[in-house]
Amino acid sequence: ETGVTQTPRHLVMGMTNKKSLKCEQHLGHNAMYWYKQSAKKPLELMFVYNFKEQTENNSVPSRFSPECPNSSHLFLHLHTLQPEDSALYLCASSQDPLAGGLNEQFFGPGTRLTVL
Amino acid sequence: QQPVQSPQAVILREGEDAVINCSSSKALYSVHWYRQKHGEAPVFLMILLKGGEQKGHEKISASFNEKKQQSSLYLTASQLSYSGTYFCGTAYGNNRLAFGKGNQVVVIP
Repeated sequence: ETGVTQTPRHLVMGMTNKKSLKCEQHLGHNAMYWYKQSAKKPLELMFVYNFKEQTENNSVPSRFSPECPNSSHLFLHLHTLQPEDSALYLCASSQDPLAGGLNEQFFGPGTRLTVL
Repeated sequence: QQPVQSPQAVILREGEDAVINCSSSKALYSVHWYRQKHGEAPVFLMILLKGGEQKGHEKISASFNEKKQQSSLYLTASQLSYSGTYFCGTAYGNNRLAFGKGNQVVVIP
């Protein structure tokens, strides 16, 4: 595997379910990100992890819980979601988290989430 | 501080040129351009730093006008493969990017 991979690619869940999204980067990067992409809206940054430490939580509801066990893996745990949470969830990574916006971000293919 | 991208959509014939813009109301440190095709991940095109430099990727080039706090992406002699949604991401000195809504580009034969 190369680049950034995400599983599952598609997920349908009920409002009372608990599920997790997984992201893995094979690039040796130190920063990882979760984004939410909804139709007609800009990419919304959700969480940032630098060297496995969470440095950004962009006012995300607690029903979304991130986990970064090491610099290569990132999870997004989902619990009691709402239909408006249906969206494409993208994971990304970049080399140096301290470069002040100078590093390109590599995106995974995303998980298409539908909440019924 | 999300940037504003314009025009929202562009339709052009193969071989034609187009310009799309990304504007910010706040002083920019850098501007990133990405292209996303339907059902795929956004793909990095280029980064521009304040200073007005220009960069290129294939026949796609971009400029950064620090005075206007605006970046423009130039699609020259467009190819069918240029179709997609172009996102600009703006950075204000940290590693956090704020993305615009995107410019949808459709190149037809």
